[in-house]
Amino acid sequence: GDSVTQTEGLVTLTEGLPVMLNCTYQTIYSNPFLFWYVQHLNESPRLLLKSFTDNKRTEHQGFHATLHKSSSSFHLQKSSAQLSDSALYYCALSDRGSALGRLHFGAGTQLIVIP
Amino acid sequence: NSKVIQTPRYLVKGQGQKAKMRCIPEKGHPVVFWYQQNKNNEFKFLINFQNQEVLQQIDMTEKRFSAECPSNSPCSLEIQSSEAGDSALYLCASSHRDWDSYEQYFGPGTRLTVL
Repeated sequence: GDSVTQTEGLVTLTEGLPVMLNCTYQTIYSNPFLFWYVQHLNESPRLLLKSFTDNKRTEHQGFHATLHKSSSSFHLQKSSAQLSDSALYYCALSDRGSALGRLHFGAGTQLIVIP
Repeated sequence: NSKVIQTPRYLVKGQGQKAKMRCIPEKGHPVVFWYQQNKNNEFKFLINFQNQEVLQQIDMTEKRFSAECPSNSPCSLEIQSSEAGDSALYLCASSHRDWDSYEQYFGPGTRLTVL
């Protein structure tokens, strides 16, 4: 079945350094829909990025990601971490290649940015 | 910012009691999802609707959990007989059906504590 893997459970960075959070997925469907959600403490998940286009960079609020179907990856990047970026980040895949499908979430990566 | 409304924000029940929570999706969003986020921050999909019809649901939902999205009324998720393991954050999300606007927007959640 569909699944998402986030290899880092915790990433601690110094402010100003680049951010890269890994996300790989498994699906049999040729047109996957991938998302990044961010969840700050005591809040609900908020959409950060989305993509279903192969090899096209998508950007929002300083973050960017590129869906690579060849490697089944959708890594999240930012050039310079800010203290306010500290949060839980989830990569998610829409079920069965459907835009209306339920989301399969990765285990999440806790990002902590320190001064 | 998401305009999904969930009530109540907090719910405390004893074991064996019913627990009911409600969700009003964003205006114009015909698709509604329910997820459970446990204390380890893991997500579990429960059920989704398109208008009043169930699209997908997991086995757990078919037993102690019931959900509906009646026309012109809030959607609801009810646990018939709460168990300690049901303590979690219950998240409602809604989405469009449009090809270029399919992302899911989450409400603030209902935090259920089963004593």
